[in-house]
This record gives sequence, C-alpha cells and structure tokens, in this order.
Amino acid sequence: DAGVIQSPRHEVTEMGQEVTLRCKPISGHDYLFWYRQTMMRGLELLIYFNNNVPIDDSGMPEDRFSAKMPNASFSTLKIQPSEPRDSAVYFCATRAGRTDTQYFGPGTRLTVL
Amino acid sequence: SQKIEQNSEALNIQEGKTATLTCNYTNYSPAYLQWYRQDPGRGPVFLLLIRENEKEKRKERLKVTFDTTLKQSLFHITASQPADSATYLCALDGNQFYFGTGTSLTVIP
Repeated sequence: DAGVIQSPRHEVTEMGQEVTLRCKPISGHDYLFWYRQTMMRGLELLIYFNNNVPIDDSGMPEDRFSAKMPNASFSTLKIQPSEPRDSAVYFCATRAGRTDTQYFGPGTRLTVL
Repeated sequence: SQKIEQNSEALNIQEGKTATLTCNYTNYSPAYLQWYRQDPGRGPVFLLLIRENEKEKRKERLKVTFDTTLKQSLFHITASQPADSATYLCALDGNQFYFGTGTSLTVIP
C-alpha cells in the first residue's frame, strides 16, 4: 500500500484565493482526519470523518474552511478565501477502527502571501 | 477542556545516554495513550501505544510508562543514537486524538 497520499505537497497562493487540498486514504481505513500544524499551536484536529460522514468539525476555524469526503477513496479540504494566517502544514491521517493507530500523509505545506 | 503538556520544547543529550520525555495531561482520563515520532518535512509516525491498565510497554530501545494517578506518561529511549533525533509527540485517545506540541530531541554524537 502506498500509504496516505496528499496533494499538492506545497502550495503558494495569494490572499483571497481558493485553496483545495486533497487526500487519498489507505484502502480499508474507515476514519479520516484533517490536521493543521504550526509552530505556535502544534498539531490541531480540524475535522474527522467516519465512513465518509463528518463526525466532528468543531476544530474548523471558521466558515472559510470546508471539508468533504464524497467516497471512501477521496477527501478534500477547501479554504475560501485564504488568508496569511492559514499558512501551515496540513496533514491528512487515516485509521482502521476505533482504537487503531493513525497513519499520516506527508502533509501539504500551504503558504498564503 | 483537556490540556496536554510535553516537557521542554527541546532536549539535547549525548549519544549513548537515555533520553526521557514527559507528557502530562489534565481534565481527561484517556483509555490509552500513544507516542509518535515526527521528522522534519514528514508526518508523524506511530511508535507505541499503552493502555490505562498497563504500567509499562517496551519496544526495542523504547519504553513507555503510564501513570493514571499522576496523569503522566514517560517515554524513554535507551542507548540513544543520532538517528533518534526528531520531534516526539504524545497523543491521548478520545473520539479523536489530542496531540501534545512535541519535544524536539537532539542526540549529540
């Protein structure tokens, strides 16, 4: 298995632009998590899905952020409009079952100018 | 809300010594706790899981303890090597995981 796949690996955009981050989970994993990591705040959970259904989005900072999981093989995290404070590394992680370990993707480094 | 604290942001030790990292938590009673390793430019990688009814867990040169009374976990790397240099994160279970901010370990040759 190729592991969790994220794209793009790096994204540089200007303030106000729409940004879409993509994640392909490990096949068979029924949980998918989106995290944001910054030096100041560490690793923060934004939202997670179970069987493609959003379970907890309380970590989504504001309405500019949205996430979807249209099927078991694909998820997106969208920021519209983007702001400089959104600059961070965004990780997607997946796991199989309730208590199993999480497998992280390589992350997307987002820079908003 | 739950709070997780990991000791000092950075820890430097000499090669061959034992590194000890601390994870303290409040306002929570996790069923288990995990430790992850993160290298620069990469996502965290799972190392060890310890359950609330386990006092200690070992894997090769790694050892984790879990004291639910003190609300603390200790992570030990014995006979440390420069290749152990990385950031180490603890994570508490819940419906999701709550991660600490990490401790950056540098093993000096």
